[in-house]
Amino acid sequence: GDSVTQMEGPVTLSEEAFLTINCTYTATGYPSLFWYVQYPGEGLQLLLKATKADDKGSNKGFEATYRKETTSFHLEKGSVQVSDSAVYFCALSAVYNFNKFYFGSGTKLNVKP
Amino acid sequence: ETGVTQSPTHLIKTRGQQVTLRCSSQSGHNTVSWYQQALGQGPQFIFQYYREEENGRGNFPPRFSGLQFPNYSSELNVNALELDDSALYLCASSLTLGTLAADIEKLFFGSGTQLSVL
Repeated sequence: GDSVTQMEGPVTLSEEAFLTINCTYTATGYPSLFWYVQYPGEGLQLLLKATKADDKGSNKGFEATYRKETTSFHLEKGSVQVSDSAVYFCALSAVYNFNKFYFGSGTKLNVKP
Repeated sequence: ETGVTQSPTHLIKTRGQQVTLRCSSQSGHNTVSWYQQALGQGPQFIFQYYREEENGRGNFPPRFSGLQFPNYSSELNVNALELDDSALYLCASSLTLGTLAADIEKLFFGSGTQLSVL
């Protein structure tokens, strides 16, 4: 069945460091891929998305490229800030039901000043 | 802020009891999905409601049930609570356009209801 695997955390970085959070997926057909962010005490917020192979999603300095050949959607940011500290979830929406999302287990990012 | 509101924000129940969680969807949305997020895990799809009918279900037993009302708000009911039901329950609203795929950007999550089963 459809599933998402992402790197375990926590990831601790100093401000202005480069961030990579790995995400790979298993799916039937060509799903849409997402990164969501969850701040403490809040629901999930969409960070970025990509709907087809080779698409690059980007938002607030974060980027991820839909790689069909490696079934990956790694999240990157060139220079993290303390305010980026949160839990990041990689997700896919099933081809046969676009409103059903499969989430990874989340990666907690801690950014130190 | 998404416009999706859930109530209550926190709830404590004992094993064997029943619980009802509520969700008001974003204005203009007609589809509601429920997710269970255990501590340290990603959300797991419970089920989805569209046009007041269940429209897809994850791997959850029948004691998890739901309703959607004509105003598109929704309830999640859990009977015979078990300790493992302790989790954050998230509601997400979206727009489904007939038989076409919804605009997948428009999936908005509420802040959730934290359920503790003792």
